[in-house]
Amino acid sequence: GESVGLHLPTLSVQEGDNSIINCAYSNSASDYFIWYKQESGKGPQFIIDIRSNMDKRQGQRVTVLLNKTVKHLSLQIAATQPGDSAVYFCAENSDGGYQKVTFGIGTKLQVIP
Amino acid sequence: GAGVSQSPSNKVTEKGKDVELRCDPISGHTALYWYRQSLGQGLEFLIYFQGNSAPDKSGLPSDRFSAERTGGSVSTLTIQRTQQEDSAVYLCASTKWGRASDTQYFGPGTRLTVL
Repeated sequence: GESVGLHLPTLSVQEGDNSIINCAYSNSASDYFIWYKQESGKGPQFIIDIRSNMDKRQGQRVTVLLNKTVKHLSLQIAATQPGDSAVYFCAENSDGGYQKVTFGIGTKLQVIP
Repeated sequence: GAGVSQSPSNKVTEKGKDVELRCDPISGHTALYWYRQSLGQGLEFLIYFQGNSAPDKSGLPSDRFSAERTGGSVSTLTIQRTQQEDSAVYLCASTKWGRASDTQYFGPGTRLTVL
């Protein structure tokens, strides 16, 4: 897959502000999209998912938006907190019998207290 | 209930040595995945086990890499004749059924450093 070397895209946000993390995907056949959060030294943790027949889904403080026309996915975090600081990955897969997930590079979210 | 566990958490080895990494999935989960995460990069799929089916090995980078899953539970990833480019965090995940909509539960990973 593509590589950005050692420098992840980084988003710095003031505590209490809203965060928007963007992701572009390439496979038009993907029908399932997931956002994961990875804190330092830990494995990725599921946040929220969305199917391709939807364009928006809301969770607790998080909203995922899907634009299939431009193959774009975004994660919105409301009232960002210091505990939200992590690397966020989008992932995609197609429902082709089993879950083979393709992960993006990730975006590092830094919350400024 | 316990989550996915991996051991060791850190492994430092010399180039040319073999290493074994272990994954204990969540009890009752039928599907198990191995990924590799290099510094500052996304997750690279390595191998997938589903029940008693033949594993999908399409992501293994070379024949130095192999994995097995005994009794449908614990899995071991083996890297033979390690190279410096094998240095990465190796992550294991399990899902209940292996369907596209199933949530993947990840372990904390094993950080492998090849000197």
